[in-house]
Order: sequence, then structure tokens, then C-alpha cells
Amino acid sequence: AQTVTQSQPEMSVQEAETVTLSCTYDTSESNYYLFWYKQPPSRQMILVIRQEAYKQQNATENRFSVNFQKAAKSFSLKISDSQLGDTAMYFCAFMKPDSGGYQKVTFGTGTKLQVIP
Amino acid sequence: DTEVTQTPKHLVMGMTNKKSLKCEQHMGHRAMYWYKQKAKKPPELMFVYSYEKLSINESVPSRFSPECPNSSLLNLHLHALQPEDSALYLCASRHARGLDTDTQYFGPGTRLTVL
Repeated sequence: AQTVTQSQPEMSVQEAETVTLSCTYDTSESNYYLFWYKQPPSRQMILVIRQEAYKQQNATENRFSVNFQKAAKSFSLKISDSQLGDTAMYFCAFMKPDSGGYQKVTFGTGTKLQVIP
Repeated sequence: DTEVTQTPKHLVMGMTNKKSLKCEQHMGHRAMYWYKQKAKKPPELMFVYSYEKLSINESVPSRFSPECPNSSLLNLHLHALQPEDSALYLCASRHARGLDTDTQYFGPGTRLTVL
């Protein structure tokens, strides 16, 4: 079974600063996907960034980037130039392809990020 | 249209009521999901539909009854719920084949309160 661990229940960062959220996972699979989802207080879950395990290059999306260490099974999210709108719960998630045509996502327990003005 | 919509936004019901949650998407996604999310917790998978057929039921009590009448619509029928069923119910969808099959798109959720 896959497990996803987020060891930081809460974090805070000053506006315009950089913050890194940690995520580790456990799997015996070699082919899988990793995601960071953001859920603001308004509650809609939004995809922030995704990483395919077979790609060595770290994914980036504007101010968001990941540090993907496959051997260490680590997938951290770096948020640069933090903005007030980044305040949210962040979930790390894992998914492996499934021949059954459906795909389960395993979520971590979440990190609540507060951006301080 | 890159949106998953859910209605109603809020629902309060008694334990003897029957109600339904609705989810709709027009992105051509053929896989649709129901999740239950308690406060400060990650979403928990309830059901998955693939090509309008139920493919996963995560041992959900029968008081929750999903339905997928067409490729754009997903319902969750509720009957005889318990107060502990109060939660945010999230719908999600994704492509079942082709590109971008790994990414789920979530709706805003329905906040359910059972009295």
C-alpha cells in the first residue's frame, strides 16, 4: 500500500519570502505520479503542480517548484515570493497508473500554510 | 469549460430526510469521483465511476447511493444519514484515456450537516 507523509501540520511564512513544504511517500512502484494540491479556506481543491516519476527534471509552475528525490522518496514543494493568496491547506498526493481504467489518489494529511503580511 | 460544479453548496438535513448531491462537468471526462472530507483532514475516496459504471466502492454504507446517469453528471443520494456523516463532499473528474489522465479536477464541494 502507498503511504504519503507530511510531517509539518502547520507552517507560516512572511509575505514575499520562500517556504518549503515537505512530503515523503512509500511505494514499491517505479511508475507513478505525484501532486501538490492547494485547498484555500474557500475549500476548492486546486492542482498546484504535478510530477511524473520517470521524469528526472523537477516540475515548475511559476512561483511553485518541486524537489523530487526519487531514491529518497521525497517530494517537497517550494513556494517563492509567497503571497497572501497562498494561504491554504496543501496536500501532497500520490497516484499510480491502474490497468483497470481508474486511478486512486492517496493524500497526505496536509500542511496548513499561513502567509503573514 | 474547465470546471466541475456541485450543487447545492450547503445542505442541512435531518436523519430521516432523503436528499441528493449533484456534480456536473463538461470537460469530456469519463471518470468521476465522490470524496468525503472532514475538517482538517484529507479527502477520503468513496466511489469511482468509469464510463458511467461504478468501478470502486470503498465500503461505503448503503445510506449513500451514487448514480451516474450520463457522462457529465454524477449524483449522490442520501438517506437516513447519521450526524457523523456531516462533512464536505467533494466531486472530482478526470480523463479516462489519452493525455492528462492522471490529473483529477475537483469541484467546490457541498457542505453537508446532518442534524
